[in-house]
Amino acid sequence: DVKVTQSSRYLVKRTGEKVFLECVQDMDHENMFWYRQDPGLGLRLIYFSYDVKMKEKGDIPEGYSVSREKKERFSLILESASTNQTSMYLCASSLSPGTSGDGYTFGSGTRLTVV
Amino acid sequence: AQKVTQAQTEISVVEKEDVTLDCVYETRDTTYYLFWYKQPPSGELVFLIRRNSFDEQNEISGRYSWNFQKSTSSFNFTITASQVVDSAVYFCALSGMGNTGFQKLVFGTGTRLLVSP
Repeated sequence: DVKVTQSSRYLVKRTGEKVFLECVQDMDHENMFWYRQDPGLGLRLIYFSYDVKMKEKGDIPEGYSVSREKKERFSLILESASTNQTSMYLCASSLSPGTSGDGYTFGSGTRLTVV
Repeated sequence: AQKVTQAQTEISVVEKEDVTLDCVYETRDTTYYLFWYKQPPSGELVFLIRRNSFDEQNEISGRYSWNFQKSTSSFNFTITASQVVDSAVYFCALSGMGNTGFQKLVFGTGTRLLVSP
């Protein structure tokens, strides 16, 4: 069964800490995405990547960075966590660009609380 | 820009009622895909359906049906004879290139459906 795995289900961090959220997929997908989900706002795209070492800003990249050193792994980095980054973070992957509309597979999410 | 609007924030029905969740989208792409996802209280996103922009046939899957109308840019979702297990947040989403040249998935804000016994 295809899978997107997010390393932590729940995470509590202190303001100012550097936070790493890890996502691994086993489907050999080229595309990977990070979203955050907040009540009333739906899912908003933070960053995405279409290839190793490649990244593109989504709709709300401020305060975040990403790393994709290997095809299967896409990390979201909060350089200096703030309380307004308390949220549910969802990782997704999909097949290559050009194969439009191929299924997106989502991880279970990481609920991050910044105190 | 690509945009998905789900105007209904929350809907409450009694079991066995039919309910329709509305979705209106905006895109300049001629080729795009529309999706519906279900998010139960457990939090995981469950894929329900994908339609491409060239296929306007309505689709039925058990108690679920989808009405895609390009003329009104709508992709509505109907649950017939709702059940308590249908209680969840439902997201409509659009996948297209927009002006970025890259395929990405844009979500609506979701509709919370509460089905009471």
